[in-house]
Amino acid sequence: DVKVTQSSRYLVKRTGEKVFLECVQDMDHENMFWYRQDPGLGLRLIYFSYDVKMKEKGDIPEGYSVSREKKERFSLILESASTNQTSMYLCASSISGQETQYFGPGTRLLVL
Amino acid sequence: AQSVTQPDIHITVSEGASLELRCNYSYGATPYLFWYVQSPGQGLQLLLKYFSGDTLVQGIKGFEAEFKRSQSSFNLRKPSVHWSDAAEYFCAVGGSGSGGSNYKLTFGKGTLLTVNP
Repeated sequence: DVKVTQSSRYLVKRTGEKVFLECVQDMDHENMFWYRQDPGLGLRLIYFSYDVKMKEKGDIPEGYSVSREKKERFSLILESASTNQTSMYLCASSISGQETQYFGPGTRLLVL
Repeated sequence: AQSVTQPDIHITVSEGASLELRCNYSYGATPYLFWYVQSPGQGLQLLLKYFSGDTLVQGIKGFEAEFKRSQSSFNLRKPSVHWSDAAEYFCAVGGSGSGGSNYKLTFGKGTLLTVNP
């Protein structure tokens, strides 16, 4: 079974802090994705990566950056957290050529 | 640009009743279609997917979906709902081909299912 893990289930941070959300997959998938999920808005793609050190902006990249130094790990960085970044963050991965995405359990981030 | 519409934000059914969740998509070529389910506080779990072939697709937990190209629809069905089916359901569309951006999925906004005893 594919396993996607996220470093924290719940996180509380203060405005202006730098926040790191980590995602690790164990199935040698090329593609990895970061989404945020908000009530009534569904899932919105922040960034994705289709290879090590490669990244592309999704639909809402503002205020975020990403890092992919190793194939299995994809990090989402909030350079200076703001209250409007309070949300559920979901990581996913997929094999190149297969669009099925496998999701982690999510990180619920609260920015005070 | 691809898009997905789930017209029903919230549906309530009684346990044992049949269920149909609607999904309409917009996509310029042959779509890849997915249904995911999310239990409260959890990530998304794949229920089923359509890539090609038989337009009636069977998934896990007794769910099925039918791809209707003429209606741009991919509705999810279950003949008899169980209380454990209460969750949020997401339809998604993606495309074939090479290149990083073709691996993206576009999700609908979700349908919340409540099951009454």
